[in-house]
Amino acid sequence: AQSVTQLGSHVSVSEGALVLLRCNYSSSVPPYLFWYVQYPNQGLQLLLKYTTGATLVKGINGFEAEFKKSETSFHLTKPSAHMSDAAEYFCAVSGSSYNQGGKLIFGQGTELSVKP
Amino acid sequence: SAVISQKPSRDICQRGTSLTIQCQVDSQVTMMFWYRQQPGQSLTLIATANQGSEATYESGFVIDKFPISRPNLTFSTLTVSNMSPEDSSIYLCSVEPDRGYNEQFFGPGTRLTVL
Repeated sequence: AQSVTQLGSHVSVSEGALVLLRCNYSSSVPPYLFWYVQYPNQGLQLLLKYTTGATLVKGINGFEAEFKKSETSFHLTKPSAHMSDAAEYFCAVSGSSYNQGGKLIFGQGTELSVKP
Repeated sequence: SAVISQKPSRDICQRGTSLTIQCQVDSQVTMMFWYRQQPGQSLTLIATANQGSEATYESGFVIDKFPISRPNLTFSTLTVSNMSPEDSSIYLCSVEPDRGYNEQFFGPGTRLTVL
């Protein structure tokens, strides 16, 4: 079974400050990990993903995340927050087996606020 | 990637009625998914809809309540039947264009309010 826990339902940072959104996962198989962003009244947009290989992955809009197997974590970071980063962020996990069929298990989401 | 559209974008419905949501993709894809996002909550997978086979439903979701059609590789519908206020949610479809990477692209969602 797989699960995702996002620590903190709301995170508030000042513009220009570091953004850190936490995600821990549980998986009985090697995981694929994803971060999605949802802007108000919109669908989900993929920020970045980890499948295999390099554990530090870079995504769009200056975000990156590091897969740490020993900590079962996949935290999302951005060095300098911008007002346009205010949105809901979802971490998701799926199995890396072909037979997993693409099922995504989502965390509860973290709402990021950026203060001027 | 894939571009996905959904119709309607939002609707307000009366209790006991049914609503059919359409999902259209700009390319042929094998795997399509339907999710529900209840107010202030995360996404929950309702079912997987593969062309040529019956949809596979997740625990807690049944075909009588959420019938799904998948007539071809670019289109799917989800019907929310005999609606109650608890069905008020955003319903999203997604596709996985490249099998094996589990990367999904999402439509804009259908915001449903049941009175």
